[in-house]
Amino acid sequence: EVQLVESGGGLVKPGGSLRLSCTASGFTFRSHSMNWVRQAPGKGLEWVASINSGKNYIYYADSVKGRFTVSRDNTKKSLSLQMNSLTAEDTGVYYCARDDFGDLYFDFWGQGTWVTVSS
Amino acid sequence: NFMLTQIHSVSASPGKTVTISCTRSRGSIASNYVQWYQQRPGSSPTNVIFEDDQRPSGVSDRFSGSIDTSSNSASLTISGLKTEDEADYYCQSFDGVNRVFGGGTKLTVL
Repeated sequence: EVQLVESGGGLVKPGGSLRLSCTASGFTFRSHSMNWVRQAPGKGLEWVASINSGKNYIYYADSVKGRFTVSRDNTKKSLSLQMNSLTAEDTGVYYCARDDFGDLYFDFWGQGTWVTVSS
Repeated sequence: NFMLTQIHSVSASPGKTVTISCTRSRGSIASNYVQWYQQRPGSSPTNVIFEDDQRPSGVSDRFSGSIDTSSNSASLTISGLKTEDEADYYCQSFDGVNRVFGGGTKLTVL
C-alpha cells in the first residue's frame, strides 16, 4: 500500500524557519518525482515545489522561490522541504504528493502537516 | 502566466448530472493536459481525471472529463450524483514546468 506520511509542521514566528519531511513506503520511491502542495485555511490548493527522481530538475512556485528548498533522499525514501523567512501567508496544510510515472499528475497524497506562522 | 477559473459553488440533487467547468485565461486549453482532483471535507485530495479525460483505476465511470477549445475550458461531469460526491473539485494544468490549480468548486449534493 502506498503511504506518504508528512511530519515537522508546527507553530513558528514570522521570519522563522521550519523543515518538513515526508516518509514514503509501499512503492519504489526513487522512480517517482515528488511534490509539495499547500492549502491555506479555507482556501484552494497551491503547488509549492517539485523534484524529480534524479534531483536534477527542481522547480518552485514564484511565491516561495528563494525561501524554500526541496530535497530528497532516495535511500531513506524521504522528501523534505526547508522553509525559511516564513510569513503568515505560508500558513496552511502542506501535502506531500507523488507524481505518476509520466510526471503529469499527483497520483497519491499524504495526509498533510499543519504549518502556522504567527507571533 | 495564466489562471484557471472555476465557479465557486454548484449544487444538484442525487441522481442528477452536474458539470464543473475550468476556464483558462491565456493560451489554449489544449496546450497542456488538465487534471481534476476531488477533496472531501477533512481529507486529502485524490485524482479523478488526468490527461483531460482519463480516469485512474478505481475511479467510478460516473466521472468524465473533456476540454472545449471554443470556450477554452475543461469540464468535469459527474453523472448519477451520490451524496458521497459532495466535495471540493479542483482543476490543474501546467504553465511551463509549474503546476497551476483552479480556485476550486464546492459541489453540494442535496
